Amino acid sequence: EPEVTQTPSHQVTQMGQEVILRCVPISNHLYFYWYRQILGQKVEFLVSFYNNEISEKSEIFDDQFSVERPDGSNFTLKIRSTKLEDSAMYFCASSLAGRGDTQYFGPGTRLTVL
Amino acid sequence: AQKVTQAQTEISVVEKEDVTLDCVYETRDTTYYLFWYKQPPSGELVFLIRRNSFDEQNEISGRYSWNFQKSTSSFNFTITASQVVDSAVYFCALLNNAGNMLTFGGGTRLMVKP
Repeated sequence: EPEVTQTPSHQVTQMGQEVILRCVPISNHLYFYWYRQILGQKVEFLVSFYNNEISEKSEIFDDQFSVERPDGSNFTLKIRSTKLEDSAMYFCASSLAGRGDTQYFGPGTRLTVL
Repeated sequence: AQKVTQAQTEISVVEKEDVTLDCVYETRDTTYYLFWYKQPPSGELVFLIRRNSFDEQNEISGRYSWNFQKSTSSFNFTITASQVVDSAVYFCALLNNAGNMLTFGGGTRLMVKP
């Protein structure tokens, strides 16, 4: 069964450093998303992406964040200058269609900012 | 703004007991979609079910069943004859009409003891 994959599974970085989290969505899916989950808390929406454009973003997704689909298979989330509060599990998700379709999640990347 | 409330933060049951996880939502959309996801101790988010706002039929899948009541804005999840492997955090989520953002509830941690 096709699945979303994410690398790395765990990333440790120093405050102020840039990180790139990588995702490979399900191959025929057209809509891509990033969510984050601070330890023990709820899952929060960050951004949705379709047709090489951001279609929706939350207040969390400020100028420090960016997303890109650099090729036909990868979808990346970049944090330019990490802060301690960026420590969280970051989930990538994809869906075949937009409205109403199920979003399938990857296993997550745990980001630890020291 | 959308909101999902899972009032039960933690539930503990003994194996073979039935358990119901509550979910109440708020939205101004007339068309929307509701989901349940399971997050086992390994951390991934596993899709369980999707319902649209026009379909109020209850659904059963093996030991799982879902009760969608539009009149009370609730989408409750029942596990019959619970098993230790059901131990996880369960999230209810609401997809907006534009279909590009999931709003999650705070999750219910279910512990099934042998």
